Amino acid sequence: DVKVTQSSRYLVKRTGEKVFLECVQDMDHENMFWYRQDPGLGLRLIYFSYDVKMKEKGDIPEGYSVSREKKERFSLILESASTNQTSMYLCASSLMNPTQIFTDTQYFGPGTRLTVL
Amino acid sequence: AQKITQTQPGMFVQEKEAVTLDCTYDTSDPSYGLFWYKQPSSGEMIFLIYQGSYDQQNATEGRYSLNFQKARKSANLVISASQLGDSAMYFCAMREYTGNQFYFGTGTSLTVIP
Repeated sequence: DVKVTQSSRYLVKRTGEKVFLECVQDMDHENMFWYRQDPGLGLRLIYFSYDVKMKEKGDIPEGYSVSREKKERFSLILESASTNQTSMYLCASSLMNPTQIFTDTQYFGPGTRLTVL
Repeated sequence: AQKITQTQPGMFVQEKEAVTLDCTYDTSDPSYGLFWYKQPSSGEMIFLIYQGSYDQQNATEGRYSLNFQKARKSANLVISASQLGDSAMYFCAMREYTGNQFYFGTGTSLTVIP
């Protein structure tokens, strides 16, 4: 079974703090994703990475950065947390299989509920 | 334009009855995949079912089936014989052949009534 873990289930930070959210997957997946989830807005993609040291912006990258130094680990960084970044953050991974591209199912971690005061 | 539209913010169903959750999508890519996920109150997203754009038959996985109507660009999830444990948020998603992005809908909250 694919296992995606996130460093914290709940996190409380203050405005202006630098925040690190860590995600680790154990299935050697090439692709990793960071989403935020807000009521009524569904999941919105922040950043994704299709290889080590590679990253691409999603729909809402402003105020965030990412790091992928190792294949299994994908970090989301809030350089200076703000109250409008209070949200649920979900990490996901998927296998990039060129011959089965349409079965590229994403597997999710349990989520981190971040509150910025 | 929204890539994925789920028009039902909330749905109720009697235990043991069937329920259909609606999903429409928008793409000009002839090759794409459609996915449904379940998110219980615990927060983790659970993959349920997948349908490819070239698949001739509707996908089925146990009590879940996907009613795929390509011309209408709809991919509705049907849950048969609802159980109390089916109470959750359900998200429809799409991946196009070009690109690595998944597009998610805003979700439907399903409540199963005993």
